[in-house]
Amino acid sequence: GAVVSQHPSRVICKSGTSVKIECRSLDFQATTMFWYRQFPKKSLMLMATSNEGSKATYEQGVEKDKFLINHASLTLSTLTVTSAHPEDSSFYICSARDRAIVQYFGPGTRLTVT
Amino acid sequence: DQQVKQNSPSLSVQEGRISILNCDYTNSMFDYFLWYKKYPAEGPTFLISISSIKDKNEDGRFTVFLNKSAKHLSLHIVPSQPGDSAVYFCAAYGTSYDKVIFGPGTSLSVIP
Repeated sequence: GAVVSQHPSRVICKSGTSVKIECRSLDFQATTMFWYRQFPKKSLMLMATSNEGSKATYEQGVEKDKFLINHASLTLSTLTVTSAHPEDSSFYICSARDRAIVQYFGPGTRLTVT
Repeated sequence: DQQVKQNSPSLSVQEGRISILNCDYTNSMFDYFLWYKKYPAEGPTFLISISSIKDKNEDGRFTVFLNKSAKHLSLHIVPSQPGDSAVYFCAAYGTSYDKVIFGPGTSLSVIP
């Protein structure tokens, strides 16, 4: 299957700072990328969908000014958590797809805000 | 309103036996269904899919059955192995949504 990487895998930051998470499709061109958040023992919560070169579409209840998403190329999307607070601590997962339906997921990033 | 439901949060099966994971959906406009497997602290891995025009798709130990009239699908794993212990997500895709909608997941434990 297709490979999607995420960096960093784990990050700890202080409250009030910003953190950037990268998502890359390594062996295919991702026309669409998705960002999810997973709370402990819960399902995947879709945060936003981004198409290369255009603005991300955010799900209801997700603050676009807090979670900045950029999809500047067909292989890279970034999620920046701005002015992070402890309640933003979570497991963030990206996924990517080309023009097919199947989404391929990255390994996830564990964010801890102290 | 949950469009993709997995009513069993967990399931335990003896090694070597069959695991059956169930999924129900509410929207008859879905035209593609997928199963993903997820280990803790990792991203989900695509397992198998089925088009709405089919009623069965098989890949090795994994078979997905689709019953459109009942809006129900199931994933069969046989024989089950301890390495199959993970959370399994059922997902559905409709062209009108152009994205995959995930169910809440079922945690499978395969006991040696």
